[in-house]
Amino acid sequence: DAGITQSPRHKVTETGTPVTLRCHQTENHRYMYWYRQDPGHGLRLIHYSYGVKDTDKGEVSDGYSVSRSKTEDFLLTLESATSSQTSVYFCAISEPWTGNGYTFGSGTRLTVV
Amino acid sequence: QQQVKQSPQSLIVQKGGISIINCAYENTAFDYFPWYQQFPGKGPALLIAIRPDVSEKKEGRFTISFNKSAKQFSLHIMDSQPGDSATYFCAAPNTTSGTYKYIFGTGTRLKVLA
Repeated sequence: DAGITQSPRHKVTETGTPVTLRCHQTENHRYMYWYRQDPGHGLRLIHYSYGVKDTDKGEVSDGYSVSRSKTEDFLLTLESATSSQTSVYFCAISEPWTGNGYTFGSGTRLTVV
Repeated sequence: QQQVKQSPQSLIVQKGGISIINCAYENTAFDYFPWYQQFPGKGPALLIAIRPDVSEKKEGRFTISFNKSAKQFSLHIMDSQPGDSATYFCAAPNTTSGTYKYIFGTGTRLKVLA
């Protein structure tokens, strides 16, 4: 998607290993988000950021940490991956109250075996 | 936790028919209420959004109806086409504590038969 890229697109990892997903934007938007998408649950917020080094937890933050050292990059880390974290992860960006909602990345499909 | 209840979970419509998806939200916030469209293997994309001080917004074949008193809003797809087959998500703003984020419904998988 224009202005936002996620890497990697696919990853298979073993239980107990650390994993970092990257989100990069070129839109200079203040807000960045990490969601996970699972069947029957829709999109659930993991963590979000409202500025450099300003982050907060979402509804499913256990087992995840984030960092934002630059406006353009938002990293999601699974400290010790578990099978329950097998999911599709989406990054989104937003500039608040513009009526433009979120712009989502193309997603990362993570499989923990 | 604030929730957004979306229905139906899945929907099958004949080509040319009307698709209707409904959402109910809990907290009031003065911000846009959007609908997103997602095709397989892609991220959700903004389809149409409405401000809560407006009762209806139409863009082409897509219309949002908003009922603020009932805390409900719906998406109508007129003259549904096979290319509309996708998953649709509603979202409600959650701007408590001065932060800006959305709560999403669980999605509706729409299939339009040719």
